[in-house]
Amino acid sequence: AQSVAQPEDQVNVAEGNPLTVKCTYSVSGNPYLFWYVQYPNRGLQFLLKYITGDNLVKGSYGFEAEFNKSQTSFHLKKPSALVSDSALYFCAVSARDTGRRALTFGSGTRLQVQP
Amino acid sequence: GAGVSQTPSNKVTEKGKYVELRCDPISGHTALYWYRQSLGQGPEFLIYFQGTGAADDSGLPNDRFFAVRPEGSVSTLKIQRTERGDSAVYLCASSLKGLAASGDEQFFGPGTRLTVL
Repeated sequence: AQSVAQPEDQVNVAEGNPLTVKCTYSVSGNPYLFWYVQYPNRGLQFLLKYITGDNLVKGSYGFEAEFNKSQTSFHLKKPSALVSDSALYFCAVSARDTGRRALTFGSGTRLQVQP
Repeated sequence: GAGVSQTPSNKVTEKGKYVELRCDPISGHTALYWYRQSLGQGPEFLIYFQGTGAADDSGLPNDRFFAVRPEGSVSTLKIQRTERGDSAVYLCASSLKGLAASGDEQFFGPGTRLTVL
């Protein structure tokens, strides 16, 4: 079975500071990894994904994530946080090798950026 | 362009009633997914369609839940004999190819909030 852990329910950061939202995963074989963001009363929006190749993935709105196979992690990062980044962030995994397309999501991390 | 749309946005029903939730995927997307999100949780997979057929229905919780996609576009999630525990936001997503090796991202609709009284 595949799973995702987001160990922090909430992350607080001051505007302009770097941010990190943590994610670890468990899957049989190689993973596809995704980050989504959810704003209040809006659907999930895709931020970035790791498929294969370069371990550092760049996505929308200045976000990036680093795939670390040995630590089974895919932490989301941004060099300088904005107040508008405040939202709920979800990490998700699917299993590349088994062909199962369903995403397994973590429980989410609420990011609060203070002005 | 138009994204994934879902109707209704809110549905309130009584325990034991039947409900249908509709999803219109992005035009041209062959794969369609249903997820359910309970308060404070991440979305949980229900069912995945590739074209008209259900390629993976392993997430459906029991036989009260059923979904169809008869023409390979619009999908309807059907819940019979609703229970209070079915209350959640039901999310639909679509992706371009849905092939196992493609790693396509899924694009989500705004969801239908179902409340069972």
